[in-house]
Amino acid sequence: NAGVTQTPKFRVLKTGQSMTLLCAQDMNHEYMYWYRQDPGMGLRLIHYSVGEGTTAKGEVPDGYNVSRLKKQNFLLGLESAAPSQTSVYFCASSLRAAGVHEQYFGPGTRLTVT
Amino acid sequence: GIQVEQSPPDLILQEGANSTLRCNFSDSVNNLQWFHQNPWGQLINLFYIPSGTKQNGRLSATTVATERYSLLYISSSQTTDSGVYFCAVKRTGTASKLTFGTGTRLQVTL
Repeated sequence: NAGVTQTPKFRVLKTGQSMTLLCAQDMNHEYMYWYRQDPGMGLRLIHYSVGEGTTAKGEVPDGYNVSRLKKQNFLLGLESAAPSQTSVYFCASSLRAAGVHEQYFGPGTRLTVT
Repeated sequence: GIQVEQSPPDLILQEGANSTLRCNFSDSVNNLQWFHQNPWGQLINLFYIPSGTKQNGRLSATTVATERYSLLYISSSQTTDSGVYFCAVKRTGTASKLTFGTGTRLQVTL
């Protein structure tokens, strides 16, 4: 099992450009998440999904959109990138099982917006 | 929302020393995880420990949910233990959002 994978690993964008980050998991997890990590800080939740076809806002959703068309994939889109979106983006997934909430993280995508 | 505080913020150890990292949280939780973020930025799951005690090699963790804290013990530290240690919690009764602390930055020197 590859676990949680993210594509791409690095990206540089100019202000106003758009891009999509792809997260894939092969653990048959129902829940998936996108977080961002800024320097010197812990991770903050952007959006999450509790199942195929569903999405919900997290703590810092502005400027981002997401889609979960397939259970194993969760896409994060930036329609018009801004320098404030320079960050490291982590995807995670977890089971939907009573009493079990452990999240597994991907390797991260480092995004720079100039 | 739930508050998560980690201490100390920074720690420098000589190789072979032991250490205790603390995580305090402000509400009841049904998920608590400890992560190690290595110098390459990877987040490594250390423990899933909403309550009780677990051990994995030189690392162990204890969560006392009723008193709202968790401890991570590192024994016989090695240079590969360097990095940032995060505690993250999910408040009971909420959707699966993890709230992260700001981390403890550990440097292990020779």
